[in-house]
Amino acid sequence: QKEVEQDPGPLSVPEGAIVSLNCTYSNSAFQYFMWYRQYSRKGPELLMYTYSSGNKEDGRFTAQVDKSSKYISLFIRDSQPSDSATYLCAMINYGQNFVFGPGTRLSVLP
Amino acid sequence: DTAVSQTPKYLVTQMGNDKSIKCEQNLGHDTMYWYKQDSKKFLKIMFSYNNKELIINETVPNRFSPKSPDKAHLNLHINSLELGDSAVYFCASRHSSNAGLAKNIQYFGAGTRLSVL
Repeated sequence: QKEVEQDPGPLSVPEGAIVSLNCTYSNSAFQYFMWYRQYSRKGPELLMYTYSSGNKEDGRFTAQVDKSSKYISLFIRDSQPSDSATYLCAMINYGQNFVFGPGTRLSVLP
Repeated sequence: DTAVSQTPKYLVTQMGNDKSIKCEQNLGHDTMYWYKQDSKKFLKIMFSYNNKELIINETVPNRFSPKSPDKAHLNLHINSLELGDSAVYFCASRHSSNAGLAKNIQYFGAGTRLSVL
């Protein structure tokens, strides 16, 4: 079993839809959870990060962590064509290095 | 002003050649990384440098050698390039000395797209 699993997509949604992106992980020692967005031919850029279980909201984006289920989600409300990108989840245990999911490619169609 | 910059952006070369990719960060971070992203977008860590010391070295071929002249720079030298080395290579950095969650945030460069013919 891979440490972090993520549906690679592609996921296509119409503009304005609510998007749900998910990752599961196997290492219960992971403490910090992040979502990176990567546009085509660009480097990943940090979108959101969180430490504990629960929800964190930032504008149209909500990050959700359920440590008991080893499951994290990113919700995008009112999705826009400019949200079309690959979304990578990442997680880390204190003092260790990052483990990235393989990314989900999202297309928001106008 | 770019925080993490890599050069070159594109690199096309033939099998067997030796090439280098450079990375510089102006964020004052003390830890830098090299990642390889394959055609399926899977981002795999290759090396990490903290205060000029190699602290991890994943199972990459010894044809790859990172070199850090100072904590703002981490270059990647590749000997005897092979077809399978074709990928996008990303440099990243973070500040491991800060307390709290912020120290776990990595900042990435724009990537170097390597094509080995």
